[in-house]
Amino acid sequence: DVKVTQSSRYLVKRTGEKVFLECVQDMDHENMFWYRQDPGLGLRLIYFSYDVKMKEKGDIPEGYSVSREKKERFSLILESASTNQTSMYLCASTRLMLDTQYFGPGTRLTVL
Amino acid sequence: TQLLEQSPQFLSIQEGENLTVYCNSSSVFSSLQWYRQEPGEGPVLLVTVVTGGEVKKLKRLTFQFGDARKDSSLHITAAQPGDTGLYLCAGRGSQGNLIFGKGTKLSVKP
Repeated sequence: DVKVTQSSRYLVKRTGEKVFLECVQDMDHENMFWYRQDPGLGLRLIYFSYDVKMKEKGDIPEGYSVSREKKERFSLILESASTNQTSMYLCASTRLMLDTQYFGPGTRLTVL
Repeated sequence: TQLLEQSPQFLSIQEGENLTVYCNSSSVFSSLQWYRQEPGEGPVLLVTVVTGGEVKKLKRLTFQFGDARKDSSLHITAAQPGDTGLYLCAGRGSQGNLIFGKGTKLSVKP
């Protein structure tokens, strides 16, 4: 079974802090994605990566950056967290771009 | 911009009732997926439909892709409390990325 894990289920941070969200997949997938999910807005793509050290902006990249130094790990970075970044963050991976996306359990981030 | 509209946004029904959830767009999609998400978990893929007019069944769930590949529906027969969750449709965008609808939150009461 594909397993996508996220470093924290719940996270509380203060405005201005630097926040790292980690995602690890164990199926040697090329593609990894970061989404945020908000009530009434659905899932929105922040960034995705199709290979190590490669990244592409999604629909809402502002205020975020990403890092993919190893194939299995994709990190989302909030350089200076703000209250409007309070959200559920979901990571997903897939072997080929058009394959099924497998999601992690999500990290619920609260920025105070 | 390709958008997917889901309706209804919320649905609360009694166990044993039937229901249909709709996913509509003005754009054509090469494929459409349905996911179910339980509280505190990530979405899990239920089905992918690819051909216009395609119907797929998964136990009590019936998925249909519109002939023009612009819309899809999910029908649940004799809903059970275990069907409770957020149902998301997602279409394959022109760049290969997934475009998600906003979801239908289903609550099935015993």
